Amino acid sequence: DSGVTQTPKHLITATGQRVTLRCSPRSGDLSVYWYQQSLDQGLQFLIHYYNGEERAKGNILERFSAQQFPDLHSELNLSSLELGDSALYFCASSAIRGNTEAFFGQGTRLTVV
Amino acid sequence: DAKTTQPTSMDCAEGRAANLPCNHSTISGNEYVYWYRQIHSQGPQYIIHGLKNNETNEMASLIITEDRKSSTLILPHATLRDTAVYYCIVRVTRRLNSGYALNFGKGTSLLVTP
Repeated sequence: DSGVTQTPKHLITATGQRVTLRCSPRSGDLSVYWYQQSLDQGLQFLIHYYNGEERAKGNILERFSAQQFPDLHSELNLSSLELGDSALYFCASSAIRGNTEAFFGQGTRLTVV
Repeated sequence: DAKTTQPTSMDCAEGRAANLPCNHSTISGNEYVYWYRQIHSQGPQYIIHGLKNNETNEMASLIITEDRKSSTLILPHATLRDTAVYYCIVRVTRRLNSGYALNFGKGTSLLVTP
């Protein structure tokens, strides 16, 4: 158990819909990262938040957005969903000082039908 | 971040040492070598990281060449549960007031056989 909690574990929705994925980082970790893993693209970095502020953006579509709340949990919002958005979405957290390894949650498997 | 090159796949017999190579010939002086693995659709798991000295922990050993252009992850006694995709990543440890994003490549798919 990495200490990072993602909900829901599975999500099935229709094209054009909007969903919200939730991530609770390890206790005390200020950084949250979101990754997308589809069959043909591998693990792609989407976005990074640190203590409520956006720090870096990767290959995140404009239809996707994220935020980190004062209690440090994060949400990834995916809208106008397309079949190609079907993927595993992982959240990771890390501390800033000391050990800088990232801890990943077990992911949310999104299926768009 | 420096790019890395890994073999696409490798096999290893159970109980034998698994040696996974990684080439990072453009690594710069302040970049660390990280290894993560991903067991079938689970979240990636940190294994080990190092700068220039060899490192060992309860999971594996990391051997970095003197010129730092390549490294090898060693799983001393591979088990079936070590079957996974192993990612070698080169990254600065941290930036001021910021975290870091690990950029995963394709990795090496390690199959441990009975």
